[in-house]
Amino acid sequence: AQRVTQPEKLLSVFKGAPVELKCNYSYSGSPELFWYVQYSRQRLQLLLRHISRESIKGFTADLNKGETSFHLKKPFAQEEDSAMYYCALRMVRQTGANNLFFGTGTRLTVIP
Amino acid sequence: NAGVMQNPRHLVRRRGQEARLRCSPMKGHSHVYWYRQLPEEGLKFMVYLQKENIIDESGMPKERFSAEFPKEGPSILRIQQVVRGDSAAYFCASSPSETPYEQYFGPGTRLTVT
Repeated sequence: AQRVTQPEKLLSVFKGAPVELKCNYSYSGSPELFWYVQYSRQRLQLLLRHISRESIKGFTADLNKGETSFHLKKPFAQEEDSAMYYCALRMVRQTGANNLFFGTGTRLTVIP
Repeated sequence: NAGVMQNPRHLVRRRGQEARLRCSPMKGHSHVYWYRQLPEEGLKFMVYLQKENIIDESGMPKERFSAEFPKEGPSILRIQQVVRGDSAAYFCASSPSETPYEQYFGPGTRLTVT
């Protein structure tokens, strides 16, 4: 069965320090993974997807199929990065549905 | 483009009443998804709809829950005879048909059952 695990509910780092938000997945098919972010009083929004291999707001994430991980990293955290981060796995079903399976989220706090 | 709209933002219902949650997708989007977030949990998929069709409802509880996306008007998630365990945040997302994985989320409806 598919599963997305974010082991840390809370993560605090100092401004300027590196940050890594962990995500592990379990899926028998070919995985497609995403990171979503929810800033305070804003709606959930897509941050990045592994296929695009781009850096958004200084964040990157590499899919490691051997370790079944998709950790989100940023070398120097900024205060505006404080938010709730969700890792999500896309599952393409026979019906054609594009369900997203979400982890439970990690609340990142960047301390000034 | 105002983005995905959901209303009401907050809904309080007594046990046994009906709850109707509405979602208007982004302009040009024909795919709608409903997710539920229970306290301390991640978002869980409930149902995927296209106009006038339910494509996948594998995440919907078998009883009391239904969803529709009519030809005209918003998508509706309906919960009959609500119970305390239905208290949650319900999120709607929409996507364009060309890139169905690119889901845009609404602000959510927080349902409280008293």
